[in-house]
Amino acid sequence: DGGITQSPKYLFRKEGQNVTLSCEQNLNHDAMYWYRQDPGQGLRLIYYSQIVNDFQKGDIAEGYSVSREKKESFPLTVTSAQKNPTAFYLCASSDPRRGGYTFGSGTRLTVV
Amino acid sequence: AQRVTQPEKLLSVFKGAPVELKCNYSYSGSPELFWYVQYSRQRLQLLLRHISRESIKGFTADLNKGETSFHLKKPFAQEEDSAMYYCALGNSGGSNYKLTFGKGTLLTVNP
Repeated sequence: DGGITQSPKYLFRKEGQNVTLSCEQNLNHDAMYWYRQDPGQGLRLIYYSQIVNDFQKGDIAEGYSVSREKKESFPLTVTSAQKNPTAFYLCASSDPRRGGYTFGSGTRLTVV
Repeated sequence: AQRVTQPEKLLSVFKGAPVELKCNYSYSGSPELFWYVQYSRQRLQLLLRHISRESIKGFTADLNKGETSFHLKKPFAQEEDSAMYYCALGNSGGSNYKLTFGKGTLLTVNP
């Protein structure tokens, strides 16, 4: 089980609270990504980062924030502004020279 | 804009039957296509990519640029093939690389 580690596996949050999901990779990949996976919706891109200290919004960035201070780490914060945060969150990394992604095992966030 | 369409949400076949999971894409540049698979309680993993033209677990997929399709096929389905399958489209690389995923097809192979 190497490559990308997401933690925790399960996370519960009260409404109105921010929560941060961790994603760490030891693949020496420059690019990292956050997707949200909902039944019947597939994977939708939240944020991505091609290089340290730089990131771009994906298709559904509202209510989320990220940082990329280190190559290995790309944490995602789900803020209280996210209207429907309960979902399965997937982190991925990529070596653009090779294409394709390596995925983490995901974090299931539930708002209670 | 990049778009991937998987027209079937659910697909059910019997063991030993042929299976085809459809994928169509829309992209103005040179497409890079992938199939990912997610078995129950496991992480998403790469099944195959069009560039390598290899066969993994008996699955093949051919890029048809004329029909903008990348259908996944297997001549004889096995029960262990039951999983969620996602087709994905990569942009042309460079400094803004990202994948766009279809909504997925849940394949069930019945005994």
